[in-house]
Amino acid sequence: LAKTTQPISMDSYEGQEVNITCSHNNIATNDYITWYQQFPSQGPRFIIQGYKTKVTNEVASLFIPADRKSSTLSLPRVSLSDTAVYYCLVGVKIKAAGNKLTFGGGTRVLVKP
Amino acid sequence: SQTIHQWPATLVQPVGSPLSLECTVEGTSNPNLYWYRQAAGRGLQLLFYSVGIGQISSEVPQNLSASRPQDRQFILSSKKLLLSDSGFYLCAWRTSGNYNEQFFGPGTRLTVL
Repeated sequence: LAKTTQPISMDSYEGQEVNITCSHNNIATNDYITWYQQFPSQGPRFIIQGYKTKVTNEVASLFIPADRKSSTLSLPRVSLSDTAVYYCLVGVKIKAAGNKLTFGGGTRVLVKP
Repeated sequence: SQTIHQWPATLVQPVGSPLSLECTVEGTSNPNLYWYRQAAGRGLQLLFYSVGIGQISSEVPQNLSASRPQDRQFILSSKKLLLSDSGFYLCAWRTSGNYNEQFFGPGTRLTVL
């Protein structure tokens, strides 16, 4: 499994855009990049996944450069409720047997008023 | 729609006592099921996963065990709890679709005294 490196914490203010960059230098050809969000005392929640270029949904955007050795999760106009831990993971998308997601320490995002 | 249940929500147990945490999934069949543990302020540690009834894979050798007596039921057990077993226990499931998208339950916060 490719290892990921992301900042331990980030502070922001309401209404700002938050960008979290994740490094995955050893990403394999078949690996996808997945981001989860975890609020305090809750389980993580899948928010976005991508393979290359840009992916956007109602929650976030994911930017992946051509070499795929890093990715950036972008949260537009954050609110206090976006305070959470964000995890970056890489792994293959389709597998017959049980997959093993490896959650690192994540990035603790604190949104201030 | 699919839902995942865990109980109890919180548990305080003395050292040396037994443990039984239950997880059930509704609205899907033959899911892959997972048990994770999260220590305070840390990432998630995969403990066990199951691809079918009676099929358990252990990721970390320890005094915990898991069983899957029914297709949508996953149980985490211990005969004698240790102080180090304290943590937030999360059950998750996924279908055979997106390998990287797991759905987490509400969790059980276990405190061993």
